[in-house]
Amino acid sequence: DTEVTQTPKHLVMGMTNKKSLKCEQHMGHRAMYWYKQKAKKPPELMFVYSYEKLSINESVPSRFSPECPNSSLLNLHLHALQPEDSALYLCASSQEFRQFNEKLFFGSGTQLSVL
Amino acid sequence: EDQVTQSPEALRLQEGESSSLNCSYTVSGLRGLFWYRQDPGKGPEFLFTLYSAGEEKEKERLKATLTKKESFLHITAPKPEDSATYLCAVRYNAGNMLTFGGGTRLMVKP
Repeated sequence: DTEVTQTPKHLVMGMTNKKSLKCEQHMGHRAMYWYKQKAKKPPELMFVYSYEKLSINESVPSRFSPECPNSSLLNLHLHALQPEDSALYLCASSQEFRQFNEKLFFGSGTQLSVL
Repeated sequence: EDQVTQSPEALRLQEGESSSLNCSYTVSGLRGLFWYRQDPGKGPEFLFTLYSAGEEKEKERLKATLTKKESFLHITAPKPEDSATYLCAVRYNAGNMLTFGGGTRLMVKP
């Protein structure tokens, strides 16, 4: 199984809503990532978890709150988002973090629209 | 400043018309250069990793090469199903994170 599974595939939310994005992998990877991607732009790193601990937070606003309940699961909790937060949110995993030859496996993403 | 630049931004080819995509980088201490393919509304799919100048990797109609300043993704006799955005990303000593280029949107017409 070389899949990273993300749910939901699409999400529409209002600025006062609270929602969560979910990501799951069963490859035994110990590093998991959240990326944000705007249309026709490359992915931008948001967070990195290594061995279930937050290792990187790329100055992301607090309305985005990551959580790693166990080594297979990664959540992104959303609250009071702005319309400019509308984007494709990608989850990725790799065997280890900070190894030069690591390749990332990406999920299909959640297309988020904030109204 | 460390940078990764891809060109062209968009490329239209006829089916069977071979071409190359470019990824140039100005980073010190390259640890790896990665090519990904991304279909609309999907996550990037890993294609190749290159580590040192002179290295080449092939997969079906795709061939990736690496020099000290750039990488090329050669597409031989492309088919419509090769239409996608191709992203390159580098990992280098200072950052040790993947830095993505802006991507090349490839459209192959039948």
